[in-house]
Amino acid sequence: DTGVSQNPRHKITKRGQNVTFRCDPISEHNRLYWYRQTLGQGPEFLTYFQNEAQLEKSRLLSDRFSAERPKGSFSTLEIQRTEQGDSAMYLCASNIEIDSPLHFGNGTRLTVT
Amino acid sequence: SQQGEEDPQALSIQEGENATMNCSYKTSINNLQWYRQNSGRGLVHLILIRSNEREKHSGRLRVTLDTSKKSSSLLITASRAADTASYFCATDAVGSEKLVFGKGTKLTVNP
Repeated sequence: DTGVSQNPRHKITKRGQNVTFRCDPISEHNRLYWYRQTLGQGPEFLTYFQNEAQLEKSRLLSDRFSAERPKGSFSTLEIQRTEQGDSAMYLCASNIEIDSPLHFGNGTRLTVT
Repeated sequence: SQQGEEDPQALSIQEGENATMNCSYKTSINNLQWYRQNSGRGLVHLILIRSNEREKHSGRLRVTLDTSKKSSSLLITASRAADTASYFCATDAVGSEKLVFGKGTKLTVNP
């Protein structure tokens, strides 16, 4: 168990640019989640996958956000035309089945200037 | 949207004292989980309690669940400076497959 890995750890970008984050879950975990967390708040659900299928996407996500999980292994989260309000910590988590604990990565901190 | 609400928002205690954090939620749940987060890091799972359970222990942690009041509490006994972190409750609502987190309690344990 090497844990959930997220890259990069930090990303600074200018408003209007596109960014992509990567998450490598624990290898035997078939469920993968993306959350966003702003300062002083709890993680806010964005989307989740079971294997390669994206099963739910938050209504809070605009069309600028897209996530993929090709082949049911790693996942990417892309934000197009970034805005200052996108500045946050983006957390990835995985688990082996419904009702089992989530294992989180250390997140990617995005700063949009 | 956040289903759980922790109380208090912040708690400061001395080492050796007990810390109690509360969580209230809105809908029927399958289970409730508590997580801990150190500054700038990801969350770490502490304990899971299912809707048909009333109390659970893990080391210095004790969690209770009252489904009639839609509330849970996390007790950390004999706190240590290393317990300083933010603590979140998360619920898995009936009919949903995602965990929804509260806003958290920031615990500071002073040596």
